[in-house]
Amino acid sequence: DIRVTQSPSSLSASVGNRVTITCRASQSISNYLNWYQQKPGKAPKLLIYAASSLQSGVPSRFSGGGSGTDFTLTISSLQPEDFATYYCQQSYSIPLTFGGGTKVEIK
Amino acid sequence: EVQLLESGGGFVQPGGSLRLSCAASGFTFSSHAMNWVRQAPGKGLEWVSAISGSGGSTYYADSVKGRFTISRDNFENTLHLQMNSLTAEDTALYYCAKEAAGIAVAGTFDPWGQGTLVTVSS
Repeated sequence: DIRVTQSPSSLSASVGNRVTITCRASQSISNYLNWYQQKPGKAPKLLIYAASSLQSGVPSRFSGGGSGTDFTLTISSLQPEDFATYYCQQSYSIPLTFGGGTKVEIK
Repeated sequence: EVQLLESGGGFVQPGGSLRLSCAASGFTFSSHAMNWVRQAPGKGLEWVSAISGSGGSTYYADSVKGRFTISRDNFENTLHLQMNSLTAEDTALYYCAKEAAGIAVAGTFDPWGQGTLVTVSS
């Protein structure tokens, strides 16, 4: 199974800050990496697919990068509605696996 | 608008069974693979199972293999998850999620339903 490790597990940031979350796969997964946002009490929402493609309707302040084993999710200017938990997920092979999540909190 | 509405969750004793359903609308159901993903209380996300658009291919996480069965009814636009031999470790909110890519299982989930809660306890 491919292990997916996210870091940090949590972070505190202020509105307007640039935030970067990293995700590392235990083996090369090319660009088969997705990012989801989950707000409390809500279902996850797809933000980025194929490592760097922005899902329709997602604000352009979100961007994804990387390939192989190392990936990033960047929020260029954190907005109040962005405080949430973010998960990466590999879609390279079954079983499909998620990172442990990064909780982005208000500083 | 795509809508996914899960049902069938509830309270069950260890060793018991439940059948979850996910009613889909707003898209051509048979043209998309479907998935179940669960989230234990206060924990992260765990993929559980997937099924191709035709229903001919199914996949399971090791943690549920042999106990859970995924199926679909493309006439009724409904996804099911039959869960047997339940244990406390199966306690979670179960989400159904549409495969974004299409008929084959490709592992990109969009959108997700709101989930149905399964609690396994004596």
